[in-house]
Amino acid sequence: NAGVTQTPKFRILKIGQSMTLQCTQDMNHNYMYWYRQDPGMGLKLIYYSVGAGITDKGEVPNGYNVSRSTTEDFPLRLELAAPSQTSVYFCASYGGTGGLEQYFGPGTRLTVT
Amino acid sequence: SQELEQSPQSLIVQEGKNLTINCTSSKTLYGLYWYKQKYGEGLIFLMMLQKGGEEKSHEKITAKLDEKKQQSSLHITASQPSHAGIYLCGADDGNNRLAFGKGNQVVVIP
Repeated sequence: NAGVTQTPKFRILKIGQSMTLQCTQDMNHNYMYWYRQDPGMGLKLIYYSVGAGITDKGEVPNGYNVSRSTTEDFPLRLELAAPSQTSVYFCASYGGTGGLEQYFGPGTRLTVT
Repeated sequence: SQELEQSPQSLIVQEGKNLTINCTSSKTLYGLYWYKQKYGEGLIFLMMLQKGGEEKSHEKITAKLDEKKQQSSLHITASQPSHAGIYLCGADDGNNRLAFGKGNQVVVIP
């Protein structure tokens, strides 16, 4: 299994541009999450999904959108990029049974200038 | 919302020395998760603690959960360069989501 994969690894955007961060998992997990990590600030939850067709806001959803059309994919959309969205973005998934052990992707490092 | 405070924020230890880092919650802990992150990489799951007084070990890393203090500690024995990185604790908020602390940065010098 590849686990959780994210693309791209790095991206530089200009202010006002849009982009989609891709996240795919091959573990048939129902739960998927998007986090952002700013230096020294830990992880903040942006959006999460409990299954295909169901998404909900996390702690810092402004400026982002998500969709979950399949169990495997959970893309994160930035519509009008702003410098405040410069961060490292992590996608994670969880099977929904037992402990809340989340599996993380390698991250996408985004710079908005 | 649940807040997790990790201490110390950063520490430098000499190879071979022991170290302890802590994670304290503002609310009752129902599940506490320790992750490790190397620079530029994703998070790797280390251990999960769910019961008060629970203690788990993996290789040279031991984690404990003190339910009364709403605190977990992570102890590394005889540290090695491979132990360097950022250690993050996450707490189950009761809705299948994890709230994370800001992390403990560990540097191991030869």
